[in-house]
Amino acid sequence: DADVTQTPRNRITKTGKRIMLECSQTKGHDRMYWYRQDPGLGLRLIYYSFDVKDINKGEISDGYSVSRQAQAKFSLSLESAIPNQTALYFCATSDWTGPPLGGETQYFGPGTRLLVL
Amino acid sequence: LAKTTQPISMDSYEGQEVNITCSHNNIATNDYITWYQQFPSQGPRFIIQGYKTKVTNEVASLFIPADRKSSTLSLPRVSLSDTAVYYCLVGRLYSGSARQLTFGSGTQLTVLP
Repeated sequence: DADVTQTPRNRITKTGKRIMLECSQTKGHDRMYWYRQDPGLGLRLIYYSFDVKDINKGEISDGYSVSRQAQAKFSLSLESAIPNQTALYFCATSDWTGPPLGGETQYFGPGTRLLVL
Repeated sequence: LAKTTQPISMDSYEGQEVNITCSHNNIATNDYITWYQQFPSQGPRFIIQGYKTKVTNEVASLFIPADRKSSTLSLPRVSLSDTAVYYCLVGRLYSGSARQLTFGSGTQLTVLP
């Protein structure tokens, strides 16, 4: 979705390096998410944020940190990259359907392919 | 923790109806179910969402039985362009901003001519 952009699209780094993946959105959504995708494992939630002062850990937050610089920007950092962090990373935003369904529709960026050597 | 299970792959022919089922045995009362489609080198794209019974939109239907322990995505009259990976997501809402979003491992649908 062109409304959610991720930079870089591809990145190769070495073990121990600190890297940052950036996400920007023009959808005006307050909610933003970071996922990683590994073959055969689907998507797993790393962190999510519902506004600039709200940061929450997801299922697999260890080894990652995030920063919500503004409503439209949400960055993911790997403080000291390791090879098992090699994966495809997706940023997403969502709007809120609300009761009675209480669901969220997420809009995903194109992904960042990260290789840690 | 909501756990979801989907078939790894399915094949179909153009023009047929395809049904993909996701199991979520420990779904909680207020959990909602969403299906996404993903093409290679792209992010997932929303298809349909539901809570119970049946939901239909312009591209798919979602069937959820009364016990909600499974859900079935139905794609009518598939075409070659429907070849993609389909993910089931169970979303759990806690108080405040707490969330648990559990994706299935995905079903690779291949549509054959």
